[in-house]
Amino acid sequence: IAGITQAPTSQILAAGRRMTLRCTQDMRHNAMYWYRQDLGLGLRLIHYSNTAGTTGKGEVPDGYSVSRANTDDFPLTLASAVPSQTSVYFCASSEKGTDTQYFGPGTRLTVL
Amino acid sequence: GQNIDQPTEMTATEGAIVQINCTYQTSGFNGLFWYQQHAGEAPTFLSYNVLDGLEEKGRFSSFLSRSKGYSYLLLKELQMKDSASYLCAVADSNYQLIWGAGTKLIIKP
Repeated sequence: IAGITQAPTSQILAAGRRMTLRCTQDMRHNAMYWYRQDLGLGLRLIHYSNTAGTTGKGEVPDGYSVSRANTDDFPLTLASAVPSQTSVYFCASSEKGTDTQYFGPGTRLTVL
Repeated sequence: GQNIDQPTEMTATEGAIVQINCTYQTSGFNGLFWYQQHAGEAPTFLSYNVLDGLEEKGRFSSFLSRSKGYSYLLLKELQMKDSASYLCAVADSNYQLIWGAGTKLIIKP
């Protein structure tokens, strides 16, 4: 049982470049989420999806986009990376939007 | 605005008991979660409270008072492996989780 996987584990990226962070879950959960975690701050929700084919904006969506073409995958794209997007990114999923969330291992992204 | 407050850091001794507090002000309330996060790892689920009172799960217990906007996580018989950050999160009226910044717990021998 893999649960949730994220790729890459870490990445250093030049400012202005496009980057897609991948997230895949094998638990057939309906809801998926992207968070960023910065030192001294709580996890902040970037985007979410309550079911395949739908997405919504969280607290800090600017500069990010997502898609949910199927149940398992929920990629996060940075169209043109900026240094303020340096962070640790966690993908999470839950059976439905009201349930406990389970987290992937995270992607550490540095934008220079 | 929405706000979750918890202490930044706490220190405790192996074998002892520690209580980590969390106070919250949110638009709506649909439950409070506690997660554990070891350095460099993902948060892992510990407990969920939606009704007032104490929920016990082994060495860990979690308490909720909705009228006071207050919760605590109680860790008993502390072990070195309990050194981690403990995150408090509240599900708001839209069931989105609002997260505290976390409490870093340091266990000393």
